[in-house]
Formats: sequence, structure tokens, C-alpha cells
Amino acid sequence: QLQLQESGPGLVKSSETLSLTCTVSGDSTSSDDYYWSWIRQTPEKGLEWIGSIVYSGRAFYNPSLRDRVTISVDTSTKQFSLTVTSMTAADTALYYCARRVDTGLGAYFDHWGQGTLVTVSS
Amino acid sequence: QSALTQPASVSGSPGQSITISCTGTSIDIGSYKFVSWYQQDPGKAPKLIIYEVSKRPSGVSYRFSGSKSGNTASLTISGVQAEDEADYYCCSYVGSSKMVFGGGTKLTVL
Repeated sequence: QLQLQESGPGLVKSSETLSLTCTVSGDSTSSDDYYWSWIRQTPEKGLEWIGSIVYSGRAFYNPSLRDRVTISVDTSTKQFSLTVTSMTAADTALYYCARRVDTGLGAYFDHWGQGTLVTVSS
Repeated sequence: QSALTQPASVSGSPGQSITISCTGTSIDIGSYKFVSWYQQDPGKAPKLIIYEVSKRPSGVSYRFSGSKSGNTASLTISGVQAEDEADYYCCSYVGSSKMVFGGGTKLTVL
């Protein structure tokens, strides 16, 4: 059974950098059918796709966050990571990691982590 | 890319059918059959209930169905039950490996 687990700080200061890690268990990250993804949620905006990365390391980002976001993958440890620079109060959110299935016939998120709350303080 | 448009809330009595709409544009829903729907209970992660417009993952009730016409996708819950009370989100592929979600709809079972 595939499981994803987010880890990282729950509190980040304004203007600093957030780093989160997602650990995958029960499946391999080494398939280009899977895009390992980060999604965040706020009460105001609901769910927001941040970006996704494939095994080969090619990453894709939400244009509205592209300048501040980096996603990387380490298949040896079955982890993928999210870095967001210049954090502001608007980045306070529940951050999820998820597996996206992308076969050419469909693109959807079939497995999600439990989420980790990140609060930006001034 | 702009968020897809969903009604903020819908409601229905047990046994009724309810439909939640998800309106996009010609560059997302209108161009791809890559629409998915997620159910989110309070305090829980979203759960995939519909993918590729109308397919149900194993274990998802047959009462959930999806469709698409033009730039609008729809989720229908037939015979709504109290356990269906949750938030529902649509999602679409928008090309170049990018995705966009709807703003979410809160379903209240009266």
C-alpha cells in the first residue's frame, strides 16, 4: 500500500525559505508514469497545485509560484522535496504531497499524504 | 492559469440527486478529458473519487458519476447520503504538465 508522509518545520519566519520533504513507502518513485507533486490548501483559495516532478528530475511548476519554488527528487531515498523562498503570510497553508498518475490518457492525484501545516510568522 | 469555478455550496435531502458544476475554459476542461474530482472530509486529505472525467477508482460508490460538456465538468451524486457531506474539488490538466483545481464546493445533506 503506497503511503506518503510530509515532514518539515511547522513555523517559518517571513522572508525565509521553507523546505519540506515527502517520504514515499510501498512503491517505487522510478517510473515516468508518476509525477510526484506538492499541493497546498488554504481556507481562502482551496487547493492549489504547486508543482510536480518525474523520476528523471524534470519538474513543472504553477506559473504563479515558479519564481520561488523548486522541487527535487532523490530516488535512492524515495523522497522528494519542496523549497519555497521568500515566504510571506500568504504562503501559510496546509501542504500536501501527492502522487499524480500521468499516462497520456489521464492526469490525476491518486495518493495523498496527510498534510503538514506551515505557518509564516512575522 | 485561473482556478476552475465551482459553486461555493450545494445542498440536498437524503435520497436526492445533486450535481456540482466545474467551469473552466477552452485551454483546460475544454481541451482535455483529464478532469478529476476529490472528496475531502474535515481534517482529512482529499480522496480521488472520479478520474478521466467519468471513471471511478476501485472502492468508490457507484452513486458518484462524472461528465463533461464543453468547458464544464459535472459531478453527480445519486441518492445522496449523510456520509456524502464533505467538500468536493474538481481538477483539470491545462497542458505542459500543469494542473489547476477548482475552488471547492461544500455539500450539505439536509
